[in-house]
Amino acid sequence: NAGVTQTPKFQVLKTGQSMTLQCAQDMNHNSMYWYRQDPGMGLRLIYYSASEGTTDKGEVPNGYNVSRLNKREFSLRLESAAPSQTSVYFCASRDGLGNTIYFGEGSWLTVV
Amino acid sequence: GNSVTQMEGPVTLSEEAFLTINCTYTATGYPSLFWYVQYPGEGLQLLLKATKADDKGSNKGFEATYRKETTSFHLEKGSVQVSDSAVYFCALSDSGGGADGLTFGKGTHLIIQP
Repeated sequence: NAGVTQTPKFQVLKTGQSMTLQCAQDMNHNSMYWYRQDPGMGLRLIYYSASEGTTDKGEVPNGYNVSRLNKREFSLRLESAAPSQTSVYFCASRDGLGNTIYFGEGSWLTVV
Repeated sequence: GNSVTQMEGPVTLSEEAFLTINCTYTATGYPSLFWYVQYPGEGLQLLLKATKADDKGSNKGFEATYRKETTSFHLEKGSVQVSDSAVYFCALSDSGGGADGLTFGKGTHLIIQP
């Protein structure tokens, strides 16, 4: 019952450092998403991938890059972290039949 | 484009009170509708869903009915418990795929007092 798995769960970065958040799903879903969640802002879409080999920008893509490595994996990279990227990050995948969205448990990122 | 509007709260209730969290939506197609729950320090979990008009989703004593005529999907529970304290997100998903297919409300913070 793994579903959507993302790592790491917690990370502290210094301004300017880089890191990659990993995400994998075992449900054979085509669509995968990266969101960030900030107080009072709800969920905001960073990037999404409608299928293996394709990626598109969401609402707040600046400062991030993504890679859809294969159907299972969708990673999010911060090339040069900034304090404004302190947030909780959620990976998700979508069932193309019932349109249900499944979320990972979240990654708490602090940039100091 | 699509949009979801819900009360943001916080909503504070006493244990055993009746709960309603309003959710209305705007969509060009025929979306599926969802309620997700997020407990403190955790990710979002699917609470219930409805895929077509007049469908009722239910789970753990919560219910919501897909009302196309009023474009609403209000969440209700007859008697809340302290353990229901969480943030609740209303969402819609249509078959268009991509980013436009997923839209979330900003979340409603629910606090239940003993």
